[in-house]
Amino acid sequence: AQSVSQHNHHVILSEAASLELGCNYSYGGTVNLFWYVQYPGQHLQLLLKYFSGDPLVKGIKGFEAEFIKSKFSFNLRKPSVQWSDTAEYFCAVKGNNRLAFGKGNQVVVIP
Amino acid sequence: EAGVAQSPRYKIIEKRQSVAFWCNPISGHATLYWYQQILGQGPKLLIQFQNNGVVDDSQLPKDRFSAERLKGVDSTLKIQPAKLEDSAVYLCASSLDGGENSPLHFGNGTRLTVT
Repeated sequence: AQSVSQHNHHVILSEAASLELGCNYSYGGTVNLFWYVQYPGQHLQLLLKYFSGDPLVKGIKGFEAEFIKSKFSFNLRKPSVQWSDTAEYFCAVKGNNRLAFGKGNQVVVIP
Repeated sequence: EAGVAQSPRYKIIEKRQSVAFWCNPISGHATLYWYQQILGQGPKLLIQFQNNGVVDDSQLPKDRFSAERLKGVDSTLKIQPAKLEDSAVYLCASSLDGGENSPLHFGNGTRLTVT
């Protein structure tokens, strides 16, 4: 079964700062990779996904993520965050038809 | 399109009591999932249905948890009897066909507190 690691569970930063959230996974086979976001009081929503092709994928709201196969990583980035990006971010890995989540990163953006 | 509907939003029960959660997936979605999210952790898959058949229930504590999706649409998740460690948010999700290119759509969840 696959496992997903996310570091720095709590992140606090100011508006316009850059954000990078790390995600590493362990799984020997082919994987699909996702980042989900949960805004306060809302349900989990898909932010972006990687299935194949260009390892740099762009999602909604200016987010992007890069799949580095040799490092088993799928880090999420945003060059300039806004207060509205305050949320919890989950990396997820789908292998053998099962979707496994990391523990999440709680991101707080200070205006 | 209407999203995944779950009820109730909140539930407080005492240990050893029973509880049931209900989920109505997006219309036309064949695959339905129940996840458990304990505070400070990511969602953990409990059970996955394809139509009314179980695809994966390997992480479901079957001594106390049960789930059904009798007509391949709505689903219920039951805990009997509940333990303190069952306190969590129970998320229902659905996808069109469970395939690799079929993203999950989540409901708002049911927050269970066991006292």
